[in-house]
Formats: sequence, C-alpha cells, structure tokens
Amino acid sequence: KQEVTQIPAALSVPEGENLVLNCSFTDSAIYNLQWFRQDPGKGLTSLLLIQSSQREQTSGRLNASLDKSSGRSTLYIAASQPGDSATYLCAPQAGSSNTGKLIFGQGTTLQVKP
Amino acid sequence: DTAVSQTPKYLVTQMGNDKSIKCEQNLGHDTMYWYKQDSKKFLKIMFSYNNKELIINETVPNRFSPKSPDKAHLNLHINSLELGDSAVYFCASSQNTDNSPLHFGNGTRLTVT
Repeated sequence: KQEVTQIPAALSVPEGENLVLNCSFTDSAIYNLQWFRQDPGKGLTSLLLIQSSQREQTSGRLNASLDKSSGRSTLYIAASQPGDSATYLCAPQAGSSNTGKLIFGQGTTLQVKP
Repeated sequence: DTAVSQTPKYLVTQMGNDKSIKCEQNLGHDTMYWYKQDSKKFLKIMFSYNNKELIINETVPNRFSPKSPDKAHLNLHINSLELGDSAVYFCASSQNTDNSPLHFGNGTRLTVT
C-alpha cells in the first residue's frame, strides 16, 4: 500500500528565500508524480507533473525532482514570494498505467512573510 | 471560465438525508474523479469514470452512487447521510492521455449534523 509523507508539515520563511519541500513514498512503482498547491477554501492547482522516466521538471521559479528508486521527490521554490503561501501537496500516481489514482501526502503548509 | 465546477459550494444537512453534489467540466476531458478530503486534510480517491464508465471504486460505501450522464458531468449522490460523511468533496478531471495532470474543482464542504 502506497504511503506518502511530506516534510516539513509547516514552514514559515521570509520573502526572497529559496526553499525545498520534501516528499517520500513507500512504493516506487509509480506512473508519475504530481505536485499541487491548495489555497484555503479552494481546490488544487496542478504545478508540475514528472513522468516516471524523468528526473525533474521546471516551471518558472519551481523545480521538482524525482528519484523513483529511493522513493523521493523534492519541490524547490526559488526567490519565494508572499503569493506562494499555500499548502503544497505531493501525489504519486499508483500503478503502471494511467489510472489517475493519486495518493496524496498531508501536505506542507508554507507561509512566506513579506 | 471555470474549468471544473461543482455545486453547491456548501451543504449542511441532517443525518439520514439524501443529497447530491453536481460536477461539470468544460475542458473536453475524458476522465472524471471524486476525491474526499477529511478533517485531517487527507485527500483520497473515491471514484473514477472514463467516458461515462466506472473504472475505479475505492471501497466506498454503496450509500455513495456516482452518476455520469455524459463525459462532461459526474454527479455524486449520497443516501442516508452519516456524521462521518462530513468532509470536503472534490471533483477533478483529466485528459485520458498518458501523463496528463488532474484539474480540480473548488470543492463542496459537506456538514452532516
């Protein structure tokens, strides 16, 4: 059974800092891994999707890496801004095919202070 | 233009009642999902439909019955509501191609009293 852990659970940083959010998962047989952000009272917004054959993906100030064999992914946020404040969720997709069955961690709640 | 829209946003009801949550996506996606986020913020898949056919049912009680009249809609009907059903329910969709990201609605907060 896939279990996903995200560390730290909460993080507070001053604006401008670079930061790393960690995600670990127990079953390396994943189809892809997605990172989302969730704002209070809102749905999830997809940030990055890393295919199982890829090592990293980049979008603007965000960079996500994937080490499938060790069951780890990191989300790097460069030059953090107050607008980055949200909960960040890591979700590997279970199985060897495109089922859409995402297994979510509990998230890291990020606060970026001006 | 809202890509995945759910109604209602809030739903407060008493135990034993039957209620429905509606979901529509205008992205032309083939696959739709229902996820449940509990009070501890854990998100867990409930159902997945591809082109109106059920493909995932994650041991959800049969009081929950999804219905997909067409591939743009996936509604969730819940019978005999229980206190433990209180949660936020999220609808999502994805293009049924390899490695396409999920797009989520804003959620329906269900409170059972």
